[in-house]
Amino acid sequence: NAGVMQNPRHLVRRRGQEARLRCSPVKGHSHVYWYRQLPEEGLKFMVYLQKENIIDESGMPKERFSAEFPKEGPSILRIQQVVRGDSAAYFCASSPYQGGVAFFGQGTRLTVV
Amino acid sequence: DAKTTQPNSMESNEEEPVHLPCNHSTISGTDYIHWYRQLPSQGPEYVIHGLTSNVNNRMASLAIAEDRKSSTLILHRATLRDAAVYYCILRDGVRDDKIIFGKGTRLHILP
Repeated sequence: NAGVMQNPRHLVRRRGQEARLRCSPVKGHSHVYWYRQLPEEGLKFMVYLQKENIIDESGMPKERFSAEFPKEGPSILRIQQVVRGDSAAYFCASSPYQGGVAFFGQGTRLTVV
Repeated sequence: DAKTTQPNSMESNEEEPVHLPCNHSTISGTDYIHWYRQLPSQGPEYVIHGLTSNVNNRMASLAIAEDRKSSTLILHRATLRDAAVYYCILRDGVRDDKIIFGKGTRLHILP
């Protein structure tokens, strides 16, 4: 998948803890997308970022979820005070320019116990 | 919201060609047609994309109707590893645009 790295691959958190999901885009890509996939469901758009800017966060829950893509380092999806309903696979994708081909990572599977 | 229509599922025999249809009657002049697929327990994978002309790559071919209101993804010789959900997506090549996945077509390959 052209080098998008997500870590950790699996993450277990207790209810009320924080989850931090990391995404390193393909080298040189400045556009990052985050998606969530609940078990047996489709991919739901969450947020679209360019370096240091949030372009579209229309799919992000209003509370507890935040995302950033700093000038240096990976993009981070942060979920505060996790609940069981947050259990899902979270996928990150990157592209080199707007509308360009997106390359996806293998995802982080979050389990809230 | 996805702007494309695909059959929910399809079946094909191994080593035979597969034609996956997609309708996009409201396509705009700047929309590219992208295809992605998601194998079980993996992230989505880019397959192919095009604007007006038919396209070929090592994975598949994309046939685009002359009026651009429909397209067909062609897998020339399906293998068991091609069993996946295939998504047809429109992406605007001009403005910043998030990728919206529909329900896709679940392709079953019969040995």
